[in-house]
Amino acid sequence: QQPVQSPQAVILREGEDAVINCSSSKALYSVHWYRQKHGEAPVFLMILLKGGEQKGHEKISASFNEKKQQSSLYLTASQLSYSGTYFCGTEKGGMTTDSWGKLQFGAGTQVVVTP
Amino acid sequence: KAGVTQTPRYLIKTRGQQVTLSCSPISGHRSVSWYQQTPGQGLQFLFEYFSETQRNKGNFPGRFSGRQFSNSRSEMNVSTLELGDSALYLCASSLAGQPNEKLFFGSGTQLSVL
Repeated sequence: QQPVQSPQAVILREGEDAVINCSSSKALYSVHWYRQKHGEAPVFLMILLKGGEQKGHEKISASFNEKKQQSSLYLTASQLSYSGTYFCGTEKGGMTTDSWGKLQFGAGTQVVVTP
Repeated sequence: KAGVTQTPRYLIKTRGQQVTLSCSPISGHRSVSWYQQTPGQGLQFLFEYFSETQRNKGNFPGRFSGRQFSNSRSEMNVSTLELGDSALYLCASSLAGQPNEKLFFGSGTQLSVL
């Protein structure tokens, strides 16, 4: 099942903060976050594993609430370079190979950062 | 290290034709997965290959197939093309496709079906 991302789009001024949410109806083992700029390939930001780890990438961080099957991506003090579409990808189950390599992505959140 | 390479970059086909897309993963990566990207739908999982075996498959009709060669390069084939198959097809590679591994994406093949 495809995870649900919200909001669909957000417009920020440089320096402002934003939160992107990713929710799943199924138990998750890991949540991936990727950013895609127009006409380019998606680029990896971070992975969060079951256990509620919070990871960081520059001023972008994320959390994973496994009880709620929800992950949030935090864009802090946004920069122009943060513009793009953010996708969360979820992977269920643990270390059995029948779930490996099969990421279910949300529809994406378009982020526009203006000067 | 060279990134993930997809060829061709653009394709224009007509309904009913078939098409083959190619993906060369990062050297040493043995897992290759394919995704279809359309506006508003995000990335839809097609299938994943590891060591020449299809390990997982998404909810796509049998017209979509793929294979992986012994050098980990992968091809994806779509037969009897339909207008709705127009999309950006992305492939991604990782070492072994484990849940804690990041994916490296290629730039994709933009397929237009007329």
